[in-house]
Amino acid sequence: RKEVEQDPGPFNVPEGATVAFNCTYSNSASQSFFWYRQDCRKEPKLLMSVYSSGNEDGRFTAQLNRASQYISLLIRDSKLSDSATYLCVVTPTDKLIFGTGTRLQVFP
Amino acid sequence: EPEVTQTPSHQVTQMGQEVILRCVPISNHLYFYWYRQILGQKVEFLVSFYNNEISEKSEIFDDQFSVERPDGSNFTLKIRSTKLEDSAMYFCASTGDRGGAGELFFGEGSRLTVL
Repeated sequence: RKEVEQDPGPFNVPEGATVAFNCTYSNSASQSFFWYRQDCRKEPKLLMSVYSSGNEDGRFTAQLNRASQYISLLIRDSKLSDSATYLCVVTPTDKLIFGTGTRLQVFP
Repeated sequence: EPEVTQTPSHQVTQMGQEVILRCVPISNHLYFYWYRQILGQKVEFLVSFYNNEISEKSEIFDDQFSVERPDGSNFTLKIRSTKLEDSAMYFCASTGDRGGAGELFFGEGSRLTVL
């Protein structure tokens, strides 16, 4: 089983749509969880941390289910500028382990 | 805003040649990393560095790879004898928090092409 698994997509959605990405991880000892965003041929950048209680940052909501080893990201009211690859990241040790990413394309 | 800087942005080299990729982490950060991303694939951990020594390395980081912090600012990745499969984007990253506890700041990457 892969350390971090994501549906690669692409998810093609119209502006204004709500889209959800899922991620599963294999190491139950993982302590911290993040969503990073990567634009084409650019470096990854932190989008948000993910907490057990769930957390929201504007149009973005992240959820963590430790029992199922499952992480989600919900994007409401999609913008053209949300088009990117969304990377699920876990930390079983002192390093970040990245998923393959889910590509999102928002169209007008 | 402080940032991680990397040089060169792109390097083309012949197979078997030595390559040094350079990084200047954010000045008050203590934990440093190298990651790589082969085109179309995921970001892969190579090595972490803290207190002037390697704290963790992956299976990819074999004897052909080494890291160094020669002075108080630079953090380098050396590949002794490049192979075709070393062609990738190499990202340097740093953080002020214990690895995995906080945000990792990435440089823009150095694209390595091995011919």
